[in-house]
Amino acid sequence: SQTIHQWPATLVQPVGSPLSLECTVEGTSNPNLYWYRQAAGRGLQLLFYSVGIGQISSEVPQNLSASRPQDRQFILSSKKLLLSDSGFYLCAWSRGGASISPLHFGNGTRLTVT
Amino acid sequence: KQEVTQIPAALSVPEGENLVLNCSFTDSAIYNLQWFRQDPGKGLTSLLLIQSSQREQTSGRLNASLDKSSGRSTLYIAASQPGDSATYLCAVRSAQGGSEKLVFGKGMKLTVNP
Repeated sequence: SQTIHQWPATLVQPVGSPLSLECTVEGTSNPNLYWYRQAAGRGLQLLFYSVGIGQISSEVPQNLSASRPQDRQFILSSKKLLLSDSGFYLCAWSRGGASISPLHFGNGTRLTVT
Repeated sequence: KQEVTQIPAALSVPEGENLVLNCSFTDSAIYNLQWFRQDPGKGLTSLLLIQSSQREQTSGRLNASLDKSSGRSTLYIAASQPGDSATYLCAVRSAQGGSEKLVFGKGMKLTVNP
């Protein structure tokens, strides 16, 4: 069966510090991978998605970047965090090449920028 | 641009009631619609996925229906229990904007009182 791992679960970082959140998927190959952010009072905002190694699509221009160094690894990064980067970050995957495939989420990372 | 709406934003009911949660979308050319549950501080758990060719899906006490022509889906919860308390989100995957992405509603917070 497929599983998705996301870490850390919580993170408190000062403004201006770097960020690296990691997500890995097990039990499947060539998945589509996604980073979402959920801010208080707002819906889920798609930040990045990837359909393959090195292929990253950015949905919202901002202070963040994403990379996919391996087939089942997706990393969300920032060089300098802003207060507005605080939120709940969720990684997700779906079966690659199948628009009918369901989306599965990790447990999320609660990021607080102070 | 696909937009997904969930009304009301919150609902509080006594235990035992049969519930109907609503989801509407603006573009009926969808691949599928997915219902999720989110507990506080947690990731999203997939409940039901309805493909565009289907009218409904059932899992235990949950039944989801889809009416593409009217741009609506409902999630029916039978005999609600306090453990059903959570935020329920619907999301659609449509051809508009690329099939790799889902568009989410903002969710409906359900409280079932014992």
